[in-house]
Amino acid sequence: AQTVTQSQPEMSVQEAETVTLSCTYDTSESDYYLFWYKQPPSRQMILVIRQEAYKQQNATENRFSVNFQKAAKSFSLKISDSQLGDAAMYFCAYRSYDNYGQNFVFGPGTRLSVLP
Amino acid sequence: DVKVTQSSRYLVKRTGEKVFLECVQDMDHENMFWYRQDPGLGLRLIYFSYDVKMKEKGDIPEGYSVSREKKERFSLILESASTNQTSMYLCASSPSRDRVYQPQHFGDGTRLSIL
Repeated sequence: AQTVTQSQPEMSVQEAETVTLSCTYDTSESDYYLFWYKQPPSRQMILVIRQEAYKQQNATENRFSVNFQKAAKSFSLKISDSQLGDAAMYFCAYRSYDNYGQNFVFGPGTRLSVLP
Repeated sequence: DVKVTQSSRYLVKRTGEKVFLECVQDMDHENMFWYRQDPGLGLRLIYFSYDVKMKEKGDIPEGYSVSREKKERFSLILESASTNQTSMYLCASSPSRDRVYQPQHFGDGTRLSIL
C-alpha cells in the first residue's frame, strides 16, 4: 500500500521569506499524481498544486512550486514571498490509477505559521 | 466552481445516538468520499462511493456506514455513536478514473463531538 510521509509537523517562516515543506511517499507504481492541499483555519481544503509523475518538469503556480524527485520519491513544496494568508495546514497527497482511480493517500500534514 | 456542502459545521450528540452526516456536491462527480481528520494523523478514509448505491470500505470503516441513493448525495452514518468518534469529518468528491488528474474537492467539514 502506498504511504505518504511529512516529516515536519510544524514550520514557521518570516513574511516575504521562502519556505520548503517536505513530502516523501512510497509506491511501486510508475504512473500517479501528487498534490499539495492547503487547509486554512476556516477549514476548507483547497488544492495548491499538482504534479503528474510522468512529467519531469516541476509544476509551478505563482508563488508555489514543487521539487519532484521521482527516483527519490520526494515531492517538496516551496512557497516564495510568504504571505500571512499562507498560514495553514498543508497536506501532501498521492493518487494512483488503481481501484478506479479512487486511491487518494494523504500525509499527516505540516502546520505552517507565517510571522509578520 | 465545484461546491461540496456538508449539512452541519458543528454537531454535538450523545453516546449511543444514531448520527447522520450529510454531504451534497453539485458537479456531477462520480466519486464521493468520507474522511476523518485527527491531529497528527492526517486524513483517514472511512468509506468512498464510485457510483450510486456503490460503496467501498476505506481504512477505518468500523462503527460507520454510508448511503448513496442519489449521485449528488453521500451520507455517513454512525450507527451508535461513541466518544472515540469525536473528530472532524470531511466529505470530498472527484471525477471518475478517466480524469484521474483531477483533484478532490472538499466540503467545509463537520466538527462532531460525542458526549
